[in-house]
Formats: sequence, C-alpha cells, structure tokens
Amino acid sequence: DTGVSQNPRHKITKRGQNVTFRCDPISEHNRLYWYRQTLGQGPEFLTYFQNEAQLEKSRLLSDRFSAERPKGSFSTLEIQRTEQGDSAMYLCASSLLRTEGDYEQYFGPGTRLTVT
Amino acid sequence: GQNIDQPTEMTATEGAIVQINCTYQTSGFNGLFWYQQHAGEAPTFLSYNVLDGLEEKGRFSSFLSRSKGYSYLLLKELQMKDSASYLCAVRDSNYQLIWGAGTKLIIKP
Repeated sequence: DTGVSQNPRHKITKRGQNVTFRCDPISEHNRLYWYRQTLGQGPEFLTYFQNEAQLEKSRLLSDRFSAERPKGSFSTLEIQRTEQGDSAMYLCASSLLRTEGDYEQYFGPGTRLTVT
Repeated sequence: GQNIDQPTEMTATEGAIVQINCTYQTSGFNGLFWYQQHAGEAPTFLSYNVLDGLEEKGRFSSFLSRSKGYSYLLLKELQMKDSASYLCAVRDSNYQLIWGAGTKLIIKP
C-alpha cells in the first residue's frame, strides 16, 4: 500500500465557490480523520469516521463544511461558499482501531486551499 | 480547557543533541505522540508513549511523566535533514488528538 493519498494537492478558488477534496486512506484502516492546519500551528481537528459512520464533528466546524465516507473507504470533504479564512492546508489521516486501542495516525500529503 | 505547550523555535548544531519539551493539560490521557513535519509536508509519526519512562528508537527517544504532564523528545547526532517542526499531541479521554503548535528546529552546520 502506498499510504494515504489526497486530491487535489492544491486548489485555488474564488470566495463564494464550493470545493470538494478527496482522501483515500490506507486500505485496511477503519478510522479516517480530517484536520485543518495553518502556518505555524498544529493540526486542528475537524471530524472523523469509523468505517462509514461519522462519529464526531468539531464544534468549530461551521455548517458550510460537510464530510462523507459512503462506503467506509475514501472520504470527501466539501466546503460550501468558501471564505478567505478557509485558506489552509487540509490534512487527512487514517488509523487502524484494534481491540487493544487506536494507534498512530498516518497522514496524507494534504490539500492546500487558497481562497482569493 | 485543554492545552499543549512546546517552545516555538529551537536552534542546534549538526552532530549535537537537542531536547524538545512538551507540557500538557488535557481532559484525560490516553497516550502522547510525537510527529515530525517538514515544511509543506504532512506530519510523520515518530514515537508513542502511554506509560512513564523512556522509549528509544534509533537517534530519537521520547520520555513521559504522566504525573507531571510532561514529555520530551530527544534527538541525538543531529543531521541537517532533522530541520523540521516537531509536534506533540495528546490523546484525551475521548480518544481525540490534541495538538501543540509545534517546535521549529533549526540545525546549523
């Protein structure tokens, strides 16, 4: 397996447009996470899935953000009516939840969003 | 509230040893992670501590004291490629990762 992949790697969009990002996790991983990261900061949790179920969504996430993982494999993150403050790196990570617990998360290369 | 503190930036010399500290206050504790992140790239996993003590992995070691809410990452025999940001993250009672802002490590020849 080649690891977590994300597409596109870069996205430039105009304010008010909708954008959608895709994440393909490591194939046997059942947990998938979305984070947002701005320069000089650590990743900020957005939401996560266990298989196809979205188990938690950050209180900081506005209604313009939605995520899906319809078949428990790849996931999409959509941002509607983008704002300049949405400009950031969007990171996807996956992990394997075992009976003894959840271990390290493996990150994809990220999608850098620029809203003009 | 939940808080992870680590220094913003550190400078060290090639071949030397550097220790990056992390203190945390979280609602519950289910492990502490260290990640390395090169500029413009995704974080990559370095180490995991859930019990007190030192975990050694090659040139990198990580220490944890749960009673003090403290961890450090020790990097030995520094190489130029170690120039990166080092992120400390704590898994809380909800099994969510709480991230520090990262420590930018600059290696000088």
